[in-house]
Amino acid sequence: DSGVTQTPKHLITATGQRVTLRCSPRSGDLSVYWYQQSLDQGLQFLIQYYNGEERAKGNILERFSAQQFPDLHSELNLSSLELGDSALYFCASSPWSRPGGQGEDYGYTFGSGTRLTVV
Amino acid sequence: GQQLNQSPQSMFIQEGEDVSMNCTSSSIFNTWLWYKQDPGEGPVLLIALYKAGELTSNGRLTAQFGITRKDSFLNISASIPSDVGIYFCAGMDSSYKLIFGSGTRLLVRP
Repeated sequence: DSGVTQTPKHLITATGQRVTLRCSPRSGDLSVYWYQQSLDQGLQFLIQYYNGEERAKGNILERFSAQQFPDLHSELNLSSLELGDSALYFCASSPWSRPGGQGEDYGYTFGSGTRLTVV
Repeated sequence: GQQLNQSPQSMFIQEGEDVSMNCTSSSIFNTWLWYKQDPGEGPVLLIALYKAGELTSNGRLTAQFGITRKDSFLNISASIPSDVGIYFCAGMDSSYKLIFGSGTRLLVRP
């Protein structure tokens, strides 16, 4: 158990629908990152939140949005779903908005992902 | 945007053999990381490299941060069946985002 919790583990939904993916970061971590992994692909960075505020944005579609709540959990909202949105969605957390602030290692800790299937 | 070229795409080797994979980038990275992903799981950090030229080991794994800061390699010695998985390199850019390579799928024949 990495300490990063993602729910649900699997999600099957129809095109045009909206879903919400949830992530609870490792205890004490302030940053949450969302990544998308399509079949046999690498991980594409979507968005980062640090202590409730958006910190960095990647190639996130306008149909997707995210937020981080006061208790530091984060939600990724995917709307008007298309077949091509089917993928694994990973959340990762780290203690800092940027690494090295306290001399800790720089690696993110990943959750086990949510597999989204759009039919 | 920034891209990492990771090779090889896949490897099918005999148990006991050594493995080598690498990543190259057109951009400079301040940190290189190597992750392993098992089926149905999230990536797990194997090795982190913080300085150009740094060579770091973790058990049978050895990784190096290239002098130019545009490349890194990972070696696995004496492979075993549980080494099976997808290995990703990742570079941390100047805005502290992790950019991932496309992965190397490793299969080990017992």
